[in-house]
Amino acid sequence: AQTVTQSQPEMSVQEAETVTLSCTYDTSESDYYLFWYKQPPSRQMILVIRQEAYKQQNATENRFSVNFQKAAKSFSLKISDSQLGDAAMYFCAYRSAGARGNKLVFGAGTILRVKS
Amino acid sequence: GAGVSQSPSNKVTEKGKDVELRCDPISGHTALYWYRQRLGQGLEFLIYFQGNSAPDKSGLPSDRFSAERTGESVSTLTIQRTQQEDSAVYLCASSFGLVTDTQYFGPGTRLTVL
Repeated sequence: AQTVTQSQPEMSVQEAETVTLSCTYDTSESDYYLFWYKQPPSRQMILVIRQEAYKQQNATENRFSVNFQKAAKSFSLKISDSQLGDAAMYFCAYRSAGARGNKLVFGAGTILRVKS
Repeated sequence: GAGVSQSPSNKVTEKGKDVELRCDPISGHTALYWYRQRLGQGLEFLIYFQGNSAPDKSGLPSDRFSAERTGESVSTLTIQRTQQEDSAVYLCASSFGLVTDTQYFGPGTRLTVL
């Protein structure tokens, strides 16, 4: 079974600075998808960024980018020019690309605090 | 509506009572998922519906948990004889059904079992 590990329970960043959230995963599959979701206090899960494992190029979405290291099974999220609205719980998630590719497997999350 | 909706937003019940949680997916989404999020933890998969196929129930923690879905519309998650360890936020998500599709989440139902 696949597992996702987020080793940082909590992180802090100064407004306008850059922060990196770590995620590692364990799988025997070669094709899969990785995601970062943001969950503010409203509980609404919001997709931040996704990465297809077959793509070597790291995904980027405006201020958000990932460092995908397939061999190391690492998938970190970099947030540049941090804003107060970035404060939330961030979850890393894995999804199989095969026939069983329905459920998302989540890490335990990292609380991100943004200081003004 | 534009997004996934869930009701009720909050539910408080007494141990031993049954509860029903409702999810309205995005119109046109054939796939529907239920997840459970215990306090301070990540989401755990419960069950998955895809069109008229048999649901994937592999994540249901016990036979007290069941879920139904009528066609490609509303789904109901039922927890019978609730226990205190059932206290959690129950999140629903929907997608178009392809493995490449993004899952869109509802705001969840916070269940508290006293």
